[in-house]
Amino acid sequence: GAGVSQSPSNKVTEKGKDVELRCDPISGHTALYWYRQSLGQGLEFLIYFQGNSAPDKSGLPSDRFSAERTGGSVSTLTIQRTQQEDSAVYLCASSSVSGSSYEQYFGPGTRLTVT
Amino acid sequence: AQKITQTQPGMFVQEKEAVTLDCTYDTSDPSYGLFWYKQPSSGEMIFLIYQGSYDQQNATEGRYSLNFQKARKSANLVISASQLGDSAMYFCAMREHTGRRALTFGSGTRLQVQP
Repeated sequence: GAGVSQSPSNKVTEKGKDVELRCDPISGHTALYWYRQSLGQGLEFLIYFQGNSAPDKSGLPSDRFSAERTGGSVSTLTIQRTQQEDSAVYLCASSSVSGSSYEQYFGPGTRLTVT
Repeated sequence: AQKITQTQPGMFVQEKEAVTLDCTYDTSDPSYGLFWYKQPSSGEMIFLIYQGSYDQQNATEGRYSLNFQKARKSANLVISASQLGDSAMYFCAMREHTGRRALTFGSGTRLQVQP
């Protein structure tokens, strides 16, 4: 079946502009996660959606970052007034909440470059 | 406080030999899961293996096994019979079953398999 998809794969934007990154999770997965990976670093949690529950936004680095998930499926991560330190790969993952492992399946990521 | 520690930024191994990648973790949650992911140069995150905190036996998946020592809070990944295609970044991650459901990642180990 189809995996997690993300778009765009690459985004170059000027400092101060807003960007939207999209994630389409695996069909039937109710949990969706956004992570950020700076160059040569591990993954940093940003936000987590589970079904109709309020999202866990505890990882968002500033109020310039927001995300929504429409209809329990597609999610959009928005970064307003981008800064150079926002340059990173943004990874989306989804998981089922059945079973014991809650294994997360990752998308290919969006590489964001802020110039 | 750092919850996942990977102390080996880089490792070399000869093809066909076994290699152990170290991971230690810290949590007060009695119920948690430990994961290993592989990230090749293409950037995708590939799930390798999972160990639950209550699992009695060490997890194995093909050439991958997880050496789980609960009292020492370590979850080392063992790759047997290394192949050139195993060259990649390897990340250890943990998910606590209470509180945040997202993964907390270590900083990764870059493995290079030499012919």
